[in-house]
Amino acid sequence: EAGVTQFPSHSVIEKGQTVTLRCDPISGHDNLYWYRRVMGKEIKFLLHFVKESKQDESGMPNNRFLAERTGGTYSTLKVQPAELEDSGVYFCASSQEWAYTQYFGPGTRLTVL
Amino acid sequence: SQQGEEDPQALSIQEGENATMNCSYKTSINNLQWYRQNSGRGLVHLILIRSNEREKHSGRLRVTLDTSKKSSSLLITASRAADTASYFCATDAVRILTGGGNKLTFGTGTQLKVEL
Repeated sequence: EAGVTQFPSHSVIEKGQTVTLRCDPISGHDNLYWYRRVMGKEIKFLLHFVKESKQDESGMPNNRFLAERTGGTYSTLKVQPAELEDSGVYFCASSQEWAYTQYFGPGTRLTVL
Repeated sequence: SQQGEEDPQALSIQEGENATMNCSYKTSINNLQWYRQNSGRGLVHLILIRSNEREKHSGRLRVTLDTSKKSSSLLITASRAADTASYFCATDAVRILTGGGNKLTFGTGTQLKVEL
């Protein structure tokens, strides 16, 4: 069974540009989460989808971040326009319905110059 | 504010020794989980302990949970060089009724280095 995959693995963009990160959860997992870790800080929750619905987006830092999960399969996280403080590693995780254990992808390292 | 704080921040031991990492948290929890992250890789789930459990074992891993002190410890016995990684505790506190799933709150992690 394939694990959670994320694309790209690395992205280097300039301030003001737009970047879209993609996450493919484990097949059949209804729950999908986005987290990020900025340099030297702890991993922080961004948002949670249940199927295609946003269940909790309390961790989204501001309206420059937009997450979607059309059809309840893969998810995208768009940052527009990117700022320097958005640099960090963005993780995606998925879990089965009613399960506590989350399976994480390898992360996307975003660098904003 | 941090929900989970790991102690120590860094730990260096010799292969074959035991490694103990501690985690403290602030609010009531449903579960506490430990994850490992090898350099440049994703997080790998190690073990989950429920709030009504006090101890759990998985292979060379032993986790304890003291809800009265809001703390947990992870013991890795007979460590190996391959155990070198960052270890994170993560708690979940809210049970969502629709579809389940809980957001995790992570600590800053303990960097473990196991030397040959």
